[in-house]
Amino acid sequence: SQQGEEDPQALSIQEGENATMNCSYKTSINNLQWYRQNSGRGLVHLILIRSNEREKHSGRLRVTLDTSKKSSSLLITASRAADTASYFCATLGTGFQKLVFGTGTRLLVSP
Amino acid sequence: DAMVIQNPRYQVTQFGKPVTLSCSQTLNHNVMYWYQQKSSQAPKLLFHYYDKDFNNEADTPDNFQSRRPNTSFCFLDIRSPGLGDAAMYLCATSREVLAGGRGDTQYFGPGTRLTVL
Repeated sequence: SQQGEEDPQALSIQEGENATMNCSYKTSINNLQWYRQNSGRGLVHLILIRSNEREKHSGRLRVTLDTSKKSSSLLITASRAADTASYFCATLGTGFQKLVFGTGTRLLVSP
Repeated sequence: DAMVIQNPRYQVTQFGKPVTLSCSQTLNHNVMYWYQQKSSQAPKLLFHYYDKDFNNEADTPDNFQSRRPNTSFCFLDIRSPGLGDAAMYLCATSREVLAGGRGDTQYFGPGTRLTVL
């Protein structure tokens, strides 16, 4: 299976703290994306990083990619209660036209 | 606002009774996807359409069918739902086929939660 794995499976922090989630994958990729899913809702695209990039920023989000280790991390700085959601990484493999989603990290940010 | 709409949001059906889930989009995107997501799991791609070209995933059961009568609408038909088909079904679109570029973003609807009794 190409499916990625994320860790931790669940993360509980206080408002204002930083949250770091990690994603590992198995095959060569064109790009890696992070999506957010609020409980019982659809997914929302957060950020895309291409295989030739090592780091990207978007507001309070910072994504890194290490293709040699087949891993990525998502950092949310100064977290807010509204950041409570599940976060999924998704990879677009070379030669494929579909995204493969990881197992997700459930983030709980307490006020 | 341009968006992906799914109806109904909640669907209850009986074991073996056919059910159809609906997705529409106002984004005018060429590609539409159907995913199945079971509780606390990753979304799993069932199939996708590029325009009218249908692409089935190898491990999608025959029990699942899809129709795309026009650019805006796509339907998921479950011919004989089993208890194991209870899940959230997510529809998504992308402007073009995912090709490794910066535009490889998928836009998701809110999902339809299917319960099978």
